[in-house]
Amino acid sequence: GENVEQHPSTLSVQEGDSAVIKCTYSDSASNYFPWYKQELGKRPQLIIDIRSNVGEKKDQRIAVTLNKTAKHFSLHITETQPEDSAVYFCAARSAGTYKYIFGTGTRLKVLA
Amino acid sequence: EAGVTQFPSHSVIEKGQTVTLRCDPISGHDNLYWYRRVMGKEIKFLLHFVKESKQDESGMPNNRFLAERTGGTYSTLKVQPAELEDSGVYFCASSPRLAATGELFFGEGSRLTVL
Repeated sequence: GENVEQHPSTLSVQEGDSAVIKCTYSDSASNYFPWYKQELGKRPQLIIDIRSNVGEKKDQRIAVTLNKTAKHFSLHITETQPEDSAVYFCAARSAGTYKYIFGTGTRLKVLA
Repeated sequence: EAGVTQFPSHSVIEKGQTVTLRCDPISGHDNLYWYRRVMGKEIKFLLHFVKESKQDESGMPNNRFLAERTGGTYSTLKVQPAELEDSGVYFCASSPRLAATGELFFGEGSRLTVL
């Protein structure tokens, strides 16, 4: 079946450094790739997304890149801050469906 | 505007008992989803409603799980009888029928512990 692999499962970075989280999807019909951030005790919230007709999207300190050929997409956070500490989930959705396949999550810790 | 609300936030029950989880989506959102996260694993799709109709229930683990959305507003997810492997966090999410983006609006989750 469809699946999304996410790495690493945990990531610790020093404040100010960059963080990169990578995901690989299996369904070549996937065309929408959101990233969700879940802070401790709170609900997952969308932080950025990308569609398959775009290779890169940026929003201030966060960016997402997509390689359709390799079926990879990545989240990049620059100049990390303590408030970036959270669990991040990638997901993929196929065209014509409402079913999102999520990755296993990455716990990011930004050390002050 | 109120977000997606879920109740209870935490439930501890014994194996064999019954638990019913409730989700109130954002008003006007036709799409309602149930997901589950077992510790350390992915947020796994359970099912999707459009209004009161089940569009996709391919993720429901077995017939011990029953989801309903009578009237197309709130939804319930009943587990009967509960087993140890049912422990996890159950998330509900909603989205508008015709959305400019694909964003899912999540609730804070209901943590279920089966002893």
